[in-house]
Amino acid sequence: EPEVTQTPSHQVTQMGQEVILRCVPISNHLYFYWYRQILGQKVEFLVSFYNNEISEKSEIFDDQFSVERPDGSNFTLKIRSTKLEDSAMYFCASSRTGLNTEAFFGQGTRLTVV
Amino acid sequence: GIQVEQSPPDLILQEGANSTLRCNFSDSVNNLQWFHQNPWGQLINLFYIPSGTKQNGRLSATTVATERYSLLYISSSQTTDSGVYFCAVEAAGGTSYGKLTFGQGTILTVHP
Repeated sequence: EPEVTQTPSHQVTQMGQEVILRCVPISNHLYFYWYRQILGQKVEFLVSFYNNEISEKSEIFDDQFSVERPDGSNFTLKIRSTKLEDSAMYFCASSRTGLNTEAFFGQGTRLTVV
Repeated sequence: GIQVEQSPPDLILQEGANSTLRCNFSDSVNNLQWFHQNPWGQLINLFYIPSGTKQNGRLSATTVATERYSLLYISSSQTTDSGVYFCAVEAAGGTSYGKLTFGQGTILTVHP
């Protein structure tokens, strides 16, 4: 069964460092998303991406964040200068279309900023 | 934006018991999904159910879109059902294609 895969599973980084979280969406899906979940809290939308551009972003997704689809299979989230409060589980998701369709989530990357 | 409320926030059961989890949402939706977050943090798709009723083994779900709620039923609970159950919706209208808004979750603990 096709699935969304994320790497790495865990990442520890020092405050101020840049991190790149990687995702391989399901191959015939056209819409891609990043969400985050701070420990013990609900899952929050960060950004949606379609046709090589951002469709929508939340208030959380400030200038420190960027997304890219560098090739035909990968979808990345970059945090330029990490802060302690960026520590969270980051989920990538994809859906075949953007409307009235089921979204599938990767297993998550747990980011710890020290 | 759309509001999603789940109840109860916590639920403790003995193995074999049945339970009902509820999700209320404040506006019309295009999509509603139920997820189970396991102890490793993974979000497992349970149901894609913008309306109607679906069943999968011991789990079933019903969404009454006109009344803006969804229910997740777990029958004959097992310890492996423990974890957090999230409801997530995609608001209708606008241009929020595919954006899911999550509820706060219900923490389910099943004791042997």
